[in-house]
Amino acid sequence: ELQLVESGGGLVQPGGSLRLSCASSGFTVSDNYMSWVRQSPGKGLDWVSLIYSGGSTYYADSVKGRFTASKDNSKNTLYLQLNSLRTEDTAIYYCARVLLYDRSGFYYPHLDYWGQGTLVAVSS
Amino acid sequence: ELVLTQSPGSLSLSPGERATLSCRASQSVSSAYVAWYQQKPGQAPRLLIYGASSRATGIPDRFSGSESGTDFTLAISRLEPEDFAVYYCQHYGNSRITFGRGTRLEMK
Repeated sequence: ELQLVESGGGLVQPGGSLRLSCASSGFTVSDNYMSWVRQSPGKGLDWVSLIYSGGSTYYADSVKGRFTASKDNSKNTLYLQLNSLRTEDTAIYYCARVLLYDRSGFYYPHLDYWGQGTLVAVSS
Repeated sequence: ELVLTQSPGSLSLSPGERATLSCRASQSVSSAYVAWYQQKPGQAPRLLIYGASSRATGIPDRFSGSESGTDFTLAISRLEPEDFAVYYCQHYGNSRITFGRGTRLEMK
C-alpha cells in the first residue's frame, strides 16, 4: 500500500526554522515527482514546492528563497527546510505524489497520494 | 499567472440532489492538466478526477468531470451524506501547481 507520513511540525518563533519530513512507502520517491502543499487554518490549499525525479526544485513566490525541498533516496524520504519563518507560514503542510501518467500511459499529471499533514505554527 | 476561480463559494443542497461545481481558468489550459479533489474536515485532500474527466480509482460513478474551453465542471449526480465536503480544482503546468479557492458543499 502506498503511504506518505509527514513529521517535523511544531511551534516556532518568527524568524525560526524547521525541517519537515515525508517518509514514503510502497513506491520510490526518487522515481517520482513530489510536491508540498499547505493549508492555513480555515483556508484553501496552497502549493508550496515541486521536486522532480531528477532533483530540480520549484517554489511558490511566497516561499522562494526561504524554503528548500530535498530528498534522501536512501531513506525514501522527502524533506522541506523552512527558514525565516513568518506568522503567515502557519499551516498544515502536506506532501503528495505527483503522478504523471495514468494506467493507459496518457499524460495526466495529478496528485494521487497525500500524507496526513503536519502542523507548523509560527508565533511569538 | 494562472488563476482558477471556483463558483459558487458555497452550495447548500439536500441528499439525492444534483450538485454542479464550476472552475474557470484565467487563460487557456489543457484539460489533461486539470484535477479535482475532495476534502473533509480534519482529512487530507482526496483525488476525485484527473485529466478533467477521468475518475480516480475507487471513486463512485456519481462523480463526473467535464470541460468546455476554460470552464471545468465537477458534477455529483445524486448527493450522498458523505459527499458534503469542500472541493478544489487544480492545474499542473510550467513547473507549478495552482489550486482554486474551493467550493464548500453543505447539507441543507
